[in-house]
Amino acid sequence: EPEVTQTPSHQVTQMGQEVILRCVPISNHLYFYWYRQILGQKVEFLVSFYNNEISEKSEIFDDQFSVERPDGSNFTLKIRSTKLEDSAMYFCASTRIRGVGSETQYFGPGTRLLVL
Amino acid sequence: DAKTTQPPSMDCAEGRAANLPCNHSTISGNEYVYWYRQIHSQGPQYIIHGLKNNETNEMASLIITEDRKSSTLILPHATLRDTAVYYCIVRGYMNYGGSQGNLIFGKGTKLSVKP
Repeated sequence: EPEVTQTPSHQVTQMGQEVILRCVPISNHLYFYWYRQILGQKVEFLVSFYNNEISEKSEIFDDQFSVERPDGSNFTLKIRSTKLEDSAMYFCASTRIRGVGSETQYFGPGTRLLVL
Repeated sequence: DAKTTQPPSMDCAEGRAANLPCNHSTISGNEYVYWYRQIHSQGPQYIIHGLKNNETNEMASLIITEDRKSSTLILPHATLRDTAVYYCIVRGYMNYGGSQGNLIFGKGTKLSVKP
């Protein structure tokens, strides 16, 4: 069964450093998402991406964040200068097409980011 | 904010059916009810979804009331591996100027399956 994959599974970084989290969405999916979950809190939407541009972003997704689809398979989330409060699980998700309520969103296993 | 209300926690005996309720009284006609679960801090796992008819798959059954204001997820024979947080999410069509399909998670129901 096709699945969303994410690398690395864990990342430890120093405050102020740049990190890139990688995702490989399901191959025939066209619409991609990033979510995050701070320990003990709810899963929160960050950004959605379609046709090589951001479709929607939350207020969490500020100028320190960027997303990119550098090639035909990877989808990345970059945090330019990490802060302590960026420590969280980051989940990538994808759907086959966008904006249709019946289209299921599938999630990857997540990357646990720890900022020291 | 999430458009659904779920009890914060439930217990279920192993081998018995787990019935997880969800209220979504403000659901609109084109919105689907989705269920996901999250085991420890793993990625949310899709379980099932429905619009107005009851649905069943290999994991669970979804019962939606006729007025669509509430639903119940049924795990017919719960096992210890079903211990997780279960999320009921309402999701609709893309609305210009509004949500474009991203999921809004609430706190969910923490289901504990006990031997």
